[in-house]
Amino acid sequence: AQKITQTQPGMFVQEKEAVTLDCTYDTSDPSYGLFWYKQPSSGEMIFLIYQGSYDQQNATEGRYSLNFQKARKSANLVISASQLGDSAMYFCAMRGGSSNTGKLIFGQGTTLQVKP
Amino acid sequence: NAGVTQTPKFQVLKTGQSMTLQCAQDMNHNSMYWYRQDPGMGLRLIYYSASEGTTDKGEVPNGYNVSRLNKREFSLRLESAAPSQTSVYFCASSERDSATAFNQPQHFGDGTRLSIL
Repeated sequence: AQKITQTQPGMFVQEKEAVTLDCTYDTSDPSYGLFWYKQPSSGEMIFLIYQGSYDQQNATEGRYSLNFQKARKSANLVISASQLGDSAMYFCAMRGGSSNTGKLIFGQGTTLQVKP
Repeated sequence: NAGVTQTPKFQVLKTGQSMTLQCAQDMNHNSMYWYRQDPGMGLRLIYYSASEGTTDKGEVPNGYNVSRLNKREFSLRLESAAPSQTSVYFCASSERDSATAFNQPQHFGDGTRLSIL
């Protein structure tokens, strides 16, 4: 069975510093995709970044980057130069490639608070 | 630039009442999804539609029905609401979904907060 684990219920970071949000996953699919979403207090889900299991390089999107360690089954999100607007819940999610059409598996999320 | 639009945004029902949550996307996406989010948990898939004319059960389908009305619209129906269905419901869409197209991000609506008394 596929599973996503986010072990940090809450994190604090000082404004302008970098922060890493942890995500580990479990799957038997040889091909899969990993996604990170941001959910501000207003409630919407915002897609941030994607990493494919066969991608040779770690994904980057602006201030977001993914520290992908396939052998360790981890896909940690790194936010550089944190801003007050980064305060939100962050979800890691996985989509298996072989037998789970349509099914995006979510972790329980990490709440990030950016301090001024 | 609407993206995925859900209606209503808030609703309170009594136990046993029925209701349909509406979802429409204007991105010409083939695949659409319904999730629920309970406090302290990530999203769980209720039903999805990989393409127009097809629907499939997700992780938590009991108590729900869906209709893919056309390519744009995907509705979720609660036939007899129960307090356990109190949740935030999200609709999402992606360009396509298949065993080989798993890299498509899903784009979400703003959610419907549903309370059942």
